[in-house]
Amino acid sequence: QKEVEQDPGPLSVPEGAIVSLNCTYSNSAFQYFMWYRQYSRKGPELLMYTYSSGNKEDGRFTAQVDKSSKYISLFIRDSQPSDSATYLCAIDNGNNRLAFGKGNQVVVIP
Amino acid sequence: GAGVSQSPSNKVTEKGKDVELRCDPISGHTALYWYRQSLGQGLEFLIYFQGNSAPDKSGLPSDRFSAERTGGSVSTLTIQRTQQEDSAVYLCASSLAGENTIYFGEGSWLTVV
Repeated sequence: QKEVEQDPGPLSVPEGAIVSLNCTYSNSAFQYFMWYRQYSRKGPELLMYTYSSGNKEDGRFTAQVDKSSKYISLFIRDSQPSDSATYLCAIDNGNNRLAFGKGNQVVVIP
Repeated sequence: GAGVSQSPSNKVTEKGKDVELRCDPISGHTALYWYRQSLGQGLEFLIYFQGNSAPDKSGLPSDRFSAERTGGSVSTLTIQRTQQEDSAVYLCASSLAGENTIYFGEGSWLTVV
């Protein structure tokens, strides 16, 4: 079983819609969860970081962690064309590395 | 510079040739990582350096891959006798010791023909 699973399907939404992305992870001992955003032909950049269950908001972005279900989510409100990118979930597995999901390519259509 | 710097940004090489990819981490960052990102795949961990400790090489896919870090700063990833399946983006990242968040460079896009 992979440490983190992210259904890599692309997602197209109209501008202004809510984007919902999610990942599952395998080990309940994991404590640190991140979302990275990657624009085309660029390196991933950290978008959100959380280490506890519940919600964390940053502007139009909300990261949600449900440790009982081993499920993490990212919501983007009022999506903009500039949000078009690939979003990768990542988990600190405690072995000096981050384990990444495969990423979701999001396209926001004006 | 302010961020992680990688070179070359693009490399096309013939099958069987050796390639070297370079990474210059953020100043003061003692931890350095190499990841590989293939088309349609997530980021695959390759190797981790932390200060003067022995590197964690557990992610290197074969003995054709090696990496070194000189003087605790610049790192070089070497791929010997390249194969077509080595075609990918090689991403370097760095972080402060003990930090969970890591900062990536733009990547080196390798194409083996």
